[in-house]
Amino acid sequence: DIQMTQSPSSLSASMGDRVTITCRASQSISDYVNWYQQEPGKAPKLLIFVASNLQSGVPSRFSGSGSGTDFTLTISSLQPEDFATYYCQQSYVSPYTFGQGTKVEIK
Amino acid sequence: QVQLVQSGTEVKKPGSSVKVSCKASAGTFNSYAVSWVRQAPGQGLEWMGGINPVFDTTEYAQKFQGRVTITADKSTSTAYMELNSLRSEDTAVYYCARAKGRFSILDHWGQGTLVSVS
Repeated sequence: DIQMTQSPSSLSASMGDRVTITCRASQSISDYVNWYQQEPGKAPKLLIFVASNLQSGVPSRFSGSGSGTDFTLTISSLQPEDFATYYCQQSYVSPYTFGQGTKVEIK
Repeated sequence: QVQLVQSGTEVKKPGSSVKVSCKASAGTFNSYAVSWVRQAPGQGLEWMGGINPVFDTTEYAQKFQGRVTITADKSTSTAYMELNSLRSEDTAVYYCARAKGRFSILDHWGQGTLVSVS
């Protein structure tokens, strides 16, 4: 199975900060990475698919980049509703594994 | 508006089976697959498998092969996930999700179903 490793596991940031989360795949997966946001007690929500495509309805402050094994999710200016846990997922080959998550907390 | 509505909380004994349902809004099964993902308490997300009702094809993670069965009833737009031989480690919230791009880009999710095994 392809392993997806996120860093950091958690971070503290302030409103308006620029935040970057990285995800590394254990082998090359082209651009087959998706990013999800999960608030406590809720289902995950798709933010970015195929590395850099913004899902409909997702604010433009979210962006994704990368290819091969290294990927990033960037939030350009952190808003109150962005404090949540973020997961990357590879959609290159089954099983479609997720990273362990990055919890974004208020500083 | 896309909706996926799942069945309610289940409490099961070890060794038993559970079947969780996921009713999708009309038309979903005409064009999309449905995947199942679980999340143990305080843990991350784990893809279990999926079904494409259009082609009647299924795909399972090797970890669950032989223990999970995913089916779909196109007449009621309902997908089902049955997990057998339950053990305490199967305690988790189980989500169904609409999938674009085979079974992996999960763009709409159900509300989740807690399955507790003890």
